[in-house]
Amino acid sequence: GAGVSQTPSNKVTEKGKYVELRCDPISGHTALYWYRQSLGQGPEFLIYFQGTGAADDSGLPNDRFFAVRPEGSVSTLKIQRTERGDSAVYLCASSLDLPGPGNTGELFFGEGSRLTVL
Amino acid sequence: GQQVMQIPQYQHVQEGEDFTTYCNSSTTLSNIQWYKQRPGGHPVFLIQLVKSGEVKKQKRLTFQFGEAKKNSSLHITATQTTDVGTYFCAGRGGTSYGKLTFGQGTILTVHP
Repeated sequence: GAGVSQTPSNKVTEKGKYVELRCDPISGHTALYWYRQSLGQGPEFLIYFQGTGAADDSGLPNDRFFAVRPEGSVSTLKIQRTERGDSAVYLCASSLDLPGPGNTGELFFGEGSRLTVL
Repeated sequence: GQQVMQIPQYQHVQEGEDFTTYCNSSTTLSNIQWYKQRPGGHPVFLIQLVKSGEVKKQKRLTFQFGEAKKNSSLHITATQTTDVGTYFCAGRGGTSYGKLTFGQGTILTVHP
């Protein structure tokens, strides 16, 4: 597609439930990022992939959070046993590659998935 | 871990006034990027700075990267109502080259 696509755009769930958020990056982009943004805050880094592998998952808050990118394209962020504190907008971004000669490594963001845990 | 701080958190200006936001990192950065997020939207890339002391201009916007590569600034001359939004700096550094750490942003409102 033309841009980064995220589904669902809105998800309301109950405390304790399992949630999956999907990200379809721009075709050909090798790097994919997940961020979490709460109201009035900057995007908080969760994880990034280079190809199929998670290159840095240091931002995942705890073991309830997990992300995969099995074929190096679409990624899924999985949240188990959701808590009210998980409520936020989850942003996915992709970049052509990491920064290097001729490439700024700029991130292209999707519109986000707004998660509300009741 | 790496922290990126931005000040001020909010800035209200009259149309035509100048605006500056400042970004400071706890560690030396390999590069820094700036993004703009309109209300209800997602962050959109503005520019990247790589070299120590680098200055780049985009029309009314001037971006600077500090000599020590630990701070940066964005200056907007003669603000317009279309400049409204939140401006974020985001830095790369340390051992995880691909990780991009965002500041908390400066929310700019422009009164006509």
